[in-house]
Amino acid sequence: NAGVTQTPKFQVLKTGQSMTLQCAQDMNHEYMSWYRQDPGMGLRLIHYSVGAGITDQGEVPNGYNVSRSTTEDFPLRLLSAAPSQTSVYFCASRARTSGSHFYEQYFGPGTRLTVT
Amino acid sequence: AQSVAQPEDQVNVAEGNPLTVKCTYSVSGNPYLFWYVQYPNRGLQFLLKYITGDNLVKGSYGFEAEFNKSQTSFHLKKPSALVSDSALYFCAVRDPSGSARQLTFGSGTQLTVLP
Repeated sequence: NAGVTQTPKFQVLKTGQSMTLQCAQDMNHEYMSWYRQDPGMGLRLIHYSVGAGITDQGEVPNGYNVSRSTTEDFPLRLLSAAPSQTSVYFCASRARTSGSHFYEQYFGPGTRLTVT
Repeated sequence: AQSVAQPEDQVNVAEGNPLTVKCTYSVSGNPYLFWYVQYPNRGLQFLLKYITGDNLVKGSYGFEAEFNKSQTSFHLKKPSALVSDSALYFCAVRDPSGSARQLTFGSGTQLTVLP
């Protein structure tokens, strides 16, 4: 299993540009999430999904859109990039069912985004 | 609302000494508690969790944590630190009786183990 994969690893955008951060998982996990990591602030939840076709907002959703057309993929779209969106973005997934891995999240390697 | 606090931004410990990374939480019900570790330029990795049962939970790489309900704490410990334990550690909480459907993470504690 590749686990959770994210592309690209690095990206530089100019203010106002749009782009999509890709996330995929091959563990058949129902739950997927996007977080941003900023120094001294830990991880903050942007959007999440509990299954294909179902998404919901997290703590800091403004400026971001998501969709979940398949179980495997959960792309994050920046509609009009702003310098405040400079951050490291992590995608994560977990299974919905109980068991020994109950509620354990699996994280991708991250995308480091700079907006100038 | 659920929240978690890591009161120390930085913890330094000598190799071979015991280490503790502190975490306190606030929830209205019984919490699910987690520790994750992040090595440089990597995603977070799961270390251990408390869902129910024994207050002392053991996890990966020799780490353990003790759930203390009266003190609302879930401190991460290891009896003998290794230089390779140097990393960023995150505590996280979920209140299963609350409205939030995902984990809330602390701000992280940078652990440095000195040789």
